[in-house]
Amino acid sequence: SQKIEQNSEALNIQEGKTATLTCNYTNYSPAYLQWYRQDPGRGPVFLLLIRENEKEKRKERLKVTFDTTLKQSLFHITASQPADSATYLCALDSEGGSNYKLTFGKGTLLTVNP
Amino acid sequence: DADVTQTPRNRITKTGKRIMLECSQTKGHDRMYWYRQDPGLGLRLIYYSFDVKDINKGEISDGYSVSRQAQAKFSLSLESAIPNQTALYFCATSDPTGGVTETQYFGPGTRLLVL
Repeated sequence: SQKIEQNSEALNIQEGKTATLTCNYTNYSPAYLQWYRQDPGRGPVFLLLIRENEKEKRKERLKVTFDTTLKQSLFHITASQPADSATYLCALDSEGGSNYKLTFGKGTLLTVNP
Repeated sequence: DADVTQTPRNRITKTGKRIMLECSQTKGHDRMYWYRQDPGLGLRLIYYSFDVKDINKGEISDGYSVSRQAQAKFSLSLESAIPNQTALYFCATSDPTGGVTETQYFGPGTRLLVL
C-alpha cells in the first residue's frame, strides 16, 4: 500500500511570504496527486490535482509541483494571507490509479501570522 | 459542501449501543466513501461503494457496516459502539471523468463520542 509523509505537522509563516508544504510518498508512483484544504471542524475541500506526466500546476496563488523521481510533491501558496491558515492534505491514488481510492497524508497545519 | 450532507452532526453514545450515521448527496455521483479522522492519524477509509450494488471494505472496516440504500444515500453503522470509535466521520462522493482523475467531495462531518 501507499505511504505518504507530509513534511511537518505545523508550519508558521508571516503574511506575504510564500508557504511551501511537502508531500513525500513511497512505493509505486501514483497516476495523480491531489491537494485538499481542511478548516477546523469541516470536511476537506479539493484544491488542485496534478497528473504523473505533469511537472507543475497553477491556480491563482497556488502552485503544485510533482517530481516522480524524488517521489515528492511541493505545494506553494504565494503572497500568503491569514485566511490561508488551515490544514492542507495531500492525497494520491491508493493502488496505482486502478481503483479510484485515495490515500491521504496526515496534513500540515499552516498558520499565517499577520 | 452543501451537496453532501451528514446526519447527525454531533452524537454522544454509550459503549455497546448501535448507532447509524447517514450521508446523502445531490451531486448525482455513483461513488461514495466513509472515512474517519483521528488526531495524528489523518483520514482513513472505512468503506466505499462504487454503485448501489457494490460495497467494499477499506483499511479499517472492523466494527463497522454500511448500507447503500440508493445512489444518493450511504449509511454507516456501528453495531456495538466502543470508545476507540470516538472520532470525526466524513462521507465523500466522487465521479471519475476521463479515466484516472478522482476528486472527492466531502460532507461536513459527524463528531462521534462514545462513552
